Amino acid sequence: AQSVTQLGSHVSVSEGALVLLRCNYSSSVPPYLFWYVQYPNQGLQLLLKYTSAATLVKGINGFEAEFKKSETSFHLTKPSAHMSDAAEYFCAVSDSNTGNQFYFGTGTSLTVIP
Amino acid sequence: DAGITQSPRHKVTETGTPVTLRCHQTENHRYMYWYRQDPGHGLRLIHYSYGVKDTDKGEVSDGYSVSRSKTEDFLLTLESATSSQTSVYFCAISLAGGIDTQYFGPGTRLTVL
Repeated sequence: AQSVTQLGSHVSVSEGALVLLRCNYSSSVPPYLFWYVQYPNQGLQLLLKYTSAATLVKGINGFEAEFKKSETSFHLTKPSAHMSDAAEYFCAVSDSNTGNQFYFGTGTSLTVIP
Repeated sequence: DAGITQSPRHKVTETGTPVTLRCHQTENHRYMYWYRQDPGHGLRLIHYSYGVKDTDKGEVSDGYSVSRSKTEDFLLTLESATSSQTSVYFCAISLAGGIDTQYFGPGTRLTVL
């Protein structure tokens, strides 16, 4: 079965520091990978997605992620954290074996310290 | 923002009571999903629909049923609510299913006493 592992349920960074949120997936076929962000008391919204085009994917708000097949990873990065980046981040995977279902990681809560 | 509404937004009910949550979209997307969000578990799929009257189970479907009689509406029913179904429920829509972006509703916070 497909699965997603997000290492670190809580990550704290200083404002202006690099943000790195980790996501590893399991899939026996080429995956589709997504990062979503959730602000308090809101639904999720898409940050970026990988659908077999370029391995380095750029998203909104300065975030990007790199698909590394050999490492089965899709880590999310941002060069300089801003206070407004404080939120919950979810990685999700789907592939041809999951039909039209998505599997989400357990989420990483990002705190930005002023 | 994608036109997705969920009703009610908050509900408190008692164990054993039937509960129906509604998801309504104005985007004419084919796929609709119901998830529950619980601390430490992320989002888990309950049921999804790939067309009118076409639905399938997700990983946590026990105790839940769904119906989709119109493209725009996807109903989630808890036939007899239990305290373990206390959660935040999110509806999502997608134009092309698993290869495509999901757009999420604002959520419904359900408390079962």
